[in-house]
Amino acid sequence: GENVEQHPSTLSVQEGDSAVIKCTYSDSASNYFPWYKQELGKRPQLIIDIRSNVGEKKDQRIAVTLNKTAKHFSLHITETQPEDSAVYFCAAVPSGTYKYIFGTGTRLKVLA
Amino acid sequence: DTAVSQTPKYLVTQMGNDKSIKCEQNLGHDTMYWYKQDSKKFLKIMFSYNNKELIINETVPNRFSPKSPDKAHLNLHINSLELGDSAVYFCASSQTYTSGNTIYFGEGSWLTVV
Repeated sequence: GENVEQHPSTLSVQEGDSAVIKCTYSDSASNYFPWYKQELGKRPQLIIDIRSNVGEKKDQRIAVTLNKTAKHFSLHITETQPEDSAVYFCAAVPSGTYKYIFGTGTRLKVLA
Repeated sequence: DTAVSQTPKYLVTQMGNDKSIKCEQNLGHDTMYWYKQDSKKFLKIMFSYNNKELIINETVPNRFSPKSPDKAHLNLHINSLELGDSAVYFCASSQTYTSGNTIYFGEGSWLTVV
């Protein structure tokens, strides 16, 4: 069945450094890749997404890249700040389906 | 203006009890979901309804029964609660069920079975 692998499971960076989280999906028919941020005790919230017809998307300090051939996509956070500390989830949605397949999550800690 | 609201937020109950979690969305969305997040933070879909019709029913014990009285509400009833049911249950909604629609999560319901 569909599977999304996410790495690393935990990531600690110094404030101001960059953070990169990578996900690999198994279903080549996936065409939508959202990223969610979940702060401690809060709900997951969408921070950025990318569709399969685009290779990269940026929104201020956040960017997502997609490599369809290799079936992986990555979240890049630049100039990290303490408020970026959270658990980040990637997801893949196979074309023609309505099932988000979430990755296992990455706990990001930004050290001040 | 909470878009997806669920109650209760916290629930502590004994094994064997039956409990319900209610969910309502005021976004006018057609599709609603129940997700389970375990202690390792894994997010897994349990059910999805589109316009009151069940469209996703993952491998979930029969003790879990969703009910959608209308497209703005999706409740989750759990019978004969077990220790392993302890988790955070998130209700969510999206405009429709097709790929590319953002899922909006509720605040979560922390269920602890003792």
